[in-house]
Amino acid sequence: GALVYQYPRRTICKSGTSMRMECQAVGFQATSVAWYRQSPQKTFELIALSTVNSAIKYEQNFTQEKFPISHPNLSFSSMTVLNAYLEDRGLYLCGARPGGNSDYTFGSGTRLLVI
Amino acid sequence: GDSVTQTEGLVTLTEGLPVMLNCTYQSTYSPFLFWYVQHLNEAPKLLLKSFTDNKRPEHQGFHATLHKSSSSFHLQKSSAQLSDSALYYCALSLASSSFSKLVFGQGTSLSVVP
Repeated sequence: GALVYQYPRRTICKSGTSMRMECQAVGFQATSVAWYRQSPQKTFELIALSTVNSAIKYEQNFTQEKFPISHPNLSFSSMTVLNAYLEDRGLYLCGARPGGNSDYTFGSGTRLLVI
Repeated sequence: GDSVTQTEGLVTLTEGLPVMLNCTYQSTYSPFLFWYVQHLNEAPKLLLKSFTDNKRPEHQGFHATLHKSSSSFHLQKSSAQLSDSALYYCALSLASSSFSKLVFGQGTSLSVVP
C-alpha cells in the first residue's frame, strides 16, 4: 500500500537554529507533496505545494527563505525550518499524492519544539 | 478565500449513541469535501470523500452527504464505538489535479466512553 514516512518524529532545536525534516513516499510516486504546519490549538495550515518539474508554490505567510523545500525525485522531499523561533513550534505534516484524481497520503508528522 | 468550519472542541459520546460531527464550508467554486481521521500519534487517514454524482460515501459505518444548498458535509454514524475516539478533520479541495491543495477545518476531537 501507499505509505509516507516522516523523520524525525520529534525534535528539539534551540531558538535561532535550523531544523531539516524529511518525507519519504513508499509504494507510489509522489508527484505532488504538500507540507502543512499545525501550530498549538490550530488546524493544519498549508506551507507550500511542490510538484515535480514545477515551481514550488508557497502560501501567504510562508516563504522559501524561511521554509526551503527540496523535491528532487518521486519518492522524497525535505523541508528546512530556518532560524526557528517559538512561533515555529508545532506538528509539520507531509502529504503526498501521485497526481490526477488521487488522494493525499499523509505521514505521521515531525513535531518541532523550539527552546 | 476558501474555508471549512467544524463542530468545535471536544465531543463526548456514550458508546452506542449516534455520532454527528458538523462541517460547513465556504468556497466560490464547487469543491470536493473530505473527512480525515487521526488517531493518537498516527497519520491522518482519509475516511470519506464526496462524489461528483451525489452518491453518499460510506466507510467503517461512517457516512456523509454533501449538501450544496447548505454548504455542509456532516459526518454521521448510527452507533459510536470506543475505537472511534480520535481527531476528525473536514477538508475541502478545489480540484482533483496535481495542483490542488486541501484546506482543513480546525478539527473535532471525538471521545467515546463506555
